[in-house]
Amino acid sequence: AQTVTQSQPEMSVQEAETVTLSCTYDTSESNYYLFWYKQPPSRQMILVIRQEAYKQQNATENRFSVNFQKAAKSFSLKISDSQLGDTAMYFCASLNRDDKIIFGKGTRLHILP
Amino acid sequence: GAGVSQTPSNKVTEKGKYVELRCDPISGHTALYWYRQSLGQGPEFLIYFQGTGAADDSGLPNDRFFAVRPEGSVSTLKIQRTERGDSAVYLCASSLGASYNEQFFGPGTRLTVL
Repeated sequence: AQTVTQSQPEMSVQEAETVTLSCTYDTSESNYYLFWYKQPPSRQMILVIRQEAYKQQNATENRFSVNFQKAAKSFSLKISDSQLGDTAMYFCASLNRDDKIIFGKGTRLHILP
Repeated sequence: GAGVSQTPSNKVTEKGKYVELRCDPISGHTALYWYRQSLGQGPEFLIYFQGTGAADDSGLPNDRFFAVRPEGSVSTLKIQRTERGDSAVYLCASSLGASYNEQFFGPGTRLTVL
């Protein structure tokens, strides 16, 4: 069975700083996808970044990047130059061929002015 | 519309009542998913449709929960004899098809059972 673990329930950083959110996962599949989703108070789940397991290069989307360590089953999210609008719940998630996304419990991120 | 829509946005009901939650996927998306998000938790998979048929309903917690998608577009999640423990946000997502396609989420329905 797939599992996704986020060990940081809540984090706070000052605006413009860099913050890293941690995630570990477990799967027996050889091919899978990993995601970070952002969920603001509006409840809308927004895809921030995705990583395909067979790609060694870490995914990057503007200020968001990941550190994908396949052997260690680690998938952390780095947010550079953090902005007030980044305040939200962040969920790490995995997807394999059964098409069920497995989510972690989330990290509540506060960006402080 | 451009995105996944869900109605109602909020639903308050009494214990023992029947409720229906509706999801309108993105036009052309053949796959549709339901997830449940309890307070302080990440979403949990309930059921997945490919077209009109339920491809995987292994996440439905018990036989009080049922979902349909009769024409392969709109889906309705039905909950009979609601219990307080059913209170949660119910999220719907759709994708172009199965196998690793990106799932686009709706804003969810917050169900409160008193």
